[in-house]
Amino acid sequence: QVHLVQSGAEVKKPGASVRVSCKASAYTFTTSGISWVRQAPGQGLEWMGWISGPIGNTNYAQKFQGRVTMTTDTSTTTAYMELRSLTSDDTAMYYCADGGPRGLFADWGQGTLVTVSS
Amino acid sequence: QSVLTQPASVSGSPGQSITISCTGGSSDVGGYNYVSWFQHHPGKAPKLLVYDVSEWPSGASNRFSGSKSGNTASLTISGLQAEDEADYYCSSFRGDYTLVFGGGTKVTVL
Repeated sequence: QVHLVQSGAEVKKPGASVRVSCKASAYTFTTSGISWVRQAPGQGLEWMGWISGPIGNTNYAQKFQGRVTMTTDTSTTTAYMELRSLTSDDTAMYYCADGGPRGLFADWGQGTLVTVSS
Repeated sequence: QSVLTQPASVSGSPGQSITISCTGGSSDVGGYNYVSWFQHHPGKAPKLLVYDVSEWPSGASNRFSGSKSGNTASLTISGLQAEDEADYYCSSFRGDYTLVFGGGTKVTVL
């Protein structure tokens, strides 16, 4: 079973950037890749994008293109999601999940709360 | 605004069966057999219930079953239990190699 462990909560000011990490097992990195999903307060789940394991190809949801970058560090089997130009609308719980746009997300990280406030 | 449409709420009594619908279009639900369903309790990570329309992941309960007809996928919960009270989300692969979630359905056990 895959075990995903995310970094801790963040508080950022509007206009800043945030980087959330997700440490995964080596198996996930070489096969499934990592998707990032967020949930704003009172809202539903929102898929942000995916990075494949072996080569690091990415595919982002149109809404986030130009503002998000997903990367991996294969030496530490850690995935990163950086979101720039934050606004209060980016206040949300951010999750990493194993898998790509097929949606076979059998394992999830515990979530990282990002709060954007002046 | 979600591309996949789900009812905002569904309710049922213990032991009953309920069905949640998830309607998309030919570029997502109708075009591919890559629909997943997730259960989400507040404060916890979502849990995969069904993938590839009707397949169960390892360890999942067979009280949750999925199906699809045309552009609409469905999740049926049989033998409703108190612990099934949660939010439920469908997701679908899209032709541009992205994924989209439904707006979510709140299930209430009466």
